[in-house]
Amino acid sequence: EAGVVQSPRYKIIEKKQPVAFWCNPISGHNTLYWYLQNLGQGPELLIRYENEEAVDDSQLPKDRFSAERLKGVDSTLKIQPAELGDSAVYLCASSLDTGSTEAFFGQGTRLTVV
Amino acid sequence: GNSVTQMEGPVTLSEEAFLTINCTYTATGYPSLFWYVQYPGEGLQLLLKATKADDKGSNKGFEATYRKETTSFHLEKGSVQVSDSAVYFCALLLSASKIIFGSGTRLSIRP
Repeated sequence: EAGVVQSPRYKIIEKKQPVAFWCNPISGHNTLYWYLQNLGQGPELLIRYENEEAVDDSQLPKDRFSAERLKGVDSTLKIQPAELGDSAVYLCASSLDTGSTEAFFGQGTRLTVV
Repeated sequence: GNSVTQMEGPVTLSEEAFLTINCTYTATGYPSLFWYVQYPGEGLQLLLKATKADDKGSNKGFEATYRKETTSFHLEKGSVQVSDSAVYFCALLLSASKIIFGSGTRLSIRP
């Protein structure tokens, strides 16, 4: 069974440019998370979806970040415009449902803003 | 608030040494506790978990016991190998499915 798939693995962009990350969760997993991992730190939640509904987006900087999960499967995270401080690894994870005690992570997208 | 505090790294050990990485937590209610591992160039992988007090999670020779009285979940391994070199994250899961991570501990094992 395929795990959580993210693309691209690496992205280098100039500041003020837009960027998008894509995530395909494990088939049948209703809960999807986007996490931000700065260098030398633990991941921090940006947004959590239950099916297509964003149920926790309190940590998402809504002035420049947006996310969607159409049809409750794949998800896209967008930054527009990107800033130097957005350089980090963006992780996607999924779990079966709200009551699950395990989440499965993708390999992440490493973003470098220059 | 809810948080996880873990031992700062880097931790450098010789092969076959005993490993302990400390982790304590603060949480309202009764969280599940996890250790995740991140090998170089790879994503986070669940190493072990414990869902209630006094549970012991174990995997690949690693163990951790959920200690409610000391709010701790320390990771241990009796004899580490070079292949254990990675970053280890302690984490907790609250009832609303929000996973909160510690800052990570980088472990390096010398041959």
